[in-house]
Amino acid sequence: SQTIHQWPATLVQPVGSPLSLECTVEGTSNPNLYWYRQAAGRGLQLLFYSVGIGQISSEVPQNLSASRPQDRQFILSSKKLLLSDSGFYLCAWSRWVDTQYFGPGTRLTVL
Amino acid sequence: KQEVTQIPAALSVPEGENLVLNCSFTDSAIYNLQWFRQDPGKGLTSLLLIQSSQREQTSGRLNASLDKSSGRSTLYIAASQPGDSATYLCAVTGGGADGLTFGKGTHLIIQP
Repeated sequence: SQTIHQWPATLVQPVGSPLSLECTVEGTSNPNLYWYRQAAGRGLQLLFYSVGIGQISSEVPQNLSASRPQDRQFILSSKKLLLSDSGFYLCAWSRWVDTQYFGPGTRLTVL
Repeated sequence: KQEVTQIPAALSVPEGENLVLNCSFTDSAIYNLQWFRQDPGKGLTSLLLIQSSQREQTSGRLNASLDKSSGRSTLYIAASQPGDSATYLCAVTGGGADGLTFGKGTHLIIQP
């Protein structure tokens, strides 16, 4: 069966510090991978998606970037965090247009 | 740009009632629609997926319907239980590798 992992589970960072969130999927190959953010009072927003190694599409201009160094690994990064980057970050995978399966999420607080 | 709206934003009902959650979307050119459940501080659990060619899907006490032409979906929960308390999210996708566009959710509380 397939499993999706995210770490860390929670993170508190000062403004201006770097960020690296990791997502890995087990039990499948060549998945589509997604990063979403859920900010307080707002709905889930798609940030990035990837259909293969090194292929990243961005949905909204922002302070964040994503990379896919391996088939089942998806990384969300920032060089300098802003207060507005606080939120709940969710990674998801799917097989093309099938159901999307979500990870447990990372709660990021920027102070 | 696709927009998804969920009504009501919050709902509190006594245990045992049947209830309906509503979802509407502005662009009817969707590939599928999904309903998710989110418990506080947790990730999302997929409940039901309806392809654009389908009218409804059922899983246990849950039934989701889709009227693509009018841009509407409903999630029907029968015989509600306290364990059904959660936030329910509706999301649509346009197909391909597109991500999901979500509504803001309905926060549901089932009173014992």
